[in-house]
Amino acid sequence: RKEVEQDPGPFNVPEGATVAFNCTYSNSASQSFFWYRQDCRKEPKLLMSVYSSGNEDGRFTAQLNRASQYISLLIRDSKLSDSATYLCVVWYSSASKIIFGSGTRLSIRP
Amino acid sequence: EPEVTQTPSHQVTQMGQEVILRCVPISNHLYFYWYRQILGQKVEFLVSFYNNEISEKSEIFDDQFSVERPDGSNFTLKIRSTKLEDSAMYFCASSEGPEPPGDYEQYFGPGTRLTVT
Repeated sequence: RKEVEQDPGPFNVPEGATVAFNCTYSNSASQSFFWYRQDCRKEPKLLMSVYSSGNEDGRFTAQLNRASQYISLLIRDSKLSDSATYLCVVWYSSASKIIFGSGTRLSIRP
Repeated sequence: EPEVTQTPSHQVTQMGQEVILRCVPISNHLYFYWYRQILGQKVEFLVSFYNNEISEKSEIFDDQFSVERPDGSNFTLKIRSTKLEDSAMYFCASSEGPEPPGDYEQYFGPGTRLTVT
């Protein structure tokens, strides 16, 4: 089983739609969780950290379920500019390492 | 807004040659990282660096690789005797605070595309 697993997509949704991604992780010792965004041939950029209590930043909501070992990202009222690959990132404190998921591709159509 | 810069943007080298990839982290950052991303694959952690020494490295970061902070601004990744499979995008990142990323965002540079022929 991969350490961090994501549905590769692509998700192709119309502008204004709500879309959700999930990410599962295998090691329960993992400590910190993040969503990054990566545009084609560009560097990853931090979208948001993910907290156990859930957190929201504008149209983006992130949730963490430690019992089931998954993280989710919800994008409401999607914009054309949301088209990108969304990377789930997990920090394993026991091994002091960061693991990136393979990413979920999102394409927003007009 | 301060940013991480990397040079060159694209490096082509022949198998067996040595390459040095350069990064200028954000000036007040203390923690530095290298990642690589093979085309179409996920971003992979290579190494982290703090206080002039490696603090963590992955299985990928073998004796072929080395990092250095030769002066107060540059952070370099050297790959000795490059192989075809070293072809990838190499990203440098820096952060103000310690691992884990936690409240300290890692800022990524735009990457150097390394092509080994």
